[in-house]
Amino acid sequence: AQSVAQPEDQVNVAEGNPLTVKCTYSVSGNPYLFWYVQYPNRGLQFLLKYITGDNLVKGSYGFEAEFNKSQTSFHLKKPSALVSDSALYFCAVRPLSSARQLTFGSGTQLTVLP
Amino acid sequence: SAVISQKPSRDICQRGTSLTIQCQVDSQVTMMFWYRQQPGQSLTLIATANQGSEATYESGFVIDKFPISRPNLTFSTLTVSNMSPEDSSIYLCSVAEGTGELFFGEGSRLTVL
Repeated sequence: AQSVAQPEDQVNVAEGNPLTVKCTYSVSGNPYLFWYVQYPNRGLQFLLKYITGDNLVKGSYGFEAEFNKSQTSFHLKKPSALVSDSALYFCAVRPLSSARQLTFGSGTQLTVLP
Repeated sequence: SAVISQKPSRDICQRGTSLTIQCQVDSQVTMMFWYRQQPGQSLTLIATANQGSEATYESGFVIDKFPISRPNLTFSTLTVSNMSPEDSSIYLCSVAEGTGELFFGEGSRLTVL
């Protein structure tokens, strides 16, 4: 069975500082990896994905994520945090073969302090 | 990406009643899913809505409690039947596109009293 772990329930960072939201995963075969963001009272918005190719993927709003196969990690990063980045972030994984088997992590609440 | 509209956006319901949530997509999509997000929790897949046939339910979810319709490739409904306070959640419709990611509606926030 596949799984996703987001070890931090809460991450606080000062505005202008770099941010990292951690994610590790377990899946059979090659993974599709995703990051989504949820703002208060909103649905989930797609940020970025890794399927194959370059281990560093860039997404919306200046976010990027680094795929590390040996560590089975897919950490979300941003060089300079904005207060408006404060939201709930979800990592998700699925096998290449099935969109139905998308598994979400527990979520990390990011708070960017002014 | 597909634009997904859900109705209602929120509702407050009485115990024992049923509520139907609608999901409309602005383009034809093959794969459509319903998720539940309980308060403070992550997302759990309820079922895959199949066009022209019965939905495929995940473990722990049954058709009698969560009947789903998918009459065409742009529309689906999820009914939450005989509601109890434990059904208070956000219910999200999502679609899969050929690029691999899922896109989500804004969600329907249900409170059961």
